[in-house]
Amino acid sequence: DAGITQSPRYKITETGRQVTLMCHQTWSHSYMFWYRQDLGHGLRLIYYSAAADITDKGEVPDGYVVSRSKTENFPLTLESATRSQTSVYFCASSEGGGFYGYTFGSGTRLTVV
Amino acid sequence: GQQLNQSPQSMFIQEGEDVSMNCTSSSIFNTWLWYKQDPGEGPVLLIALYKAGELTSNGRLTAQFGITRKDSFLNISASIPSDVGIYFCAGQLYESTTSGTYKYIFGTGTRLKVLA
Repeated sequence: DAGITQSPRYKITETGRQVTLMCHQTWSHSYMFWYRQDLGHGLRLIYYSAAADITDKGEVPDGYVVSRSKTENFPLTLESATRSQTSVYFCASSEGGGFYGYTFGSGTRLTVV
Repeated sequence: GQQLNQSPQSMFIQEGEDVSMNCTSSSIFNTWLWYKQDPGEGPVLLIALYKAGELTSNGRLTAQFGITRKDSFLNISASIPSDVGIYFCAGQLYESTTSGTYKYIFGTGTRLKVLA
């Protein structure tokens, strides 16, 4: 199906473990983004990518790593998960850099215990 | 970091009532977006505003780009139960366009509950 899909939808992991959240889009959008959503903070940008092999930091990048070897995929890795990274993570994509806004996935709810 | 003050934080209204919410900031924005988020889903774009003073409608929704470029307003007329959800504003700062990427700051959301 066309669209932007995130997996898994729910994940529980232990402190210190590495975990990867997947994001896949079928529109061939150049731009992709990762946000986290927390109560009282709204949505905050973690990383973004303007094209394959081009990534850049957002507002809250510490503790996260991204890669973009293919246009359609933009995985987010927590190298050593901490409880403060418990959050809902949203991937988004856009055509033209986001001038017309972004299209969001359904999110991954991550709990770090 | 930059902040967008969105109010009210939550509201309960009766079906059929009109709803108003707003976003304010001390910074000037180039673009304002309004999103709606249903439970368990990602935000969905409702309205985009690109010019100061612009008034744009999408069905029962009307949004305005403030004249000062520091605020935006969203109105929902004749609310219905499916309007329930969280409404987010997002502003694109004038200086935040890097390598063609438009980065947005999101408000903390207005949670709307409609009583039938």
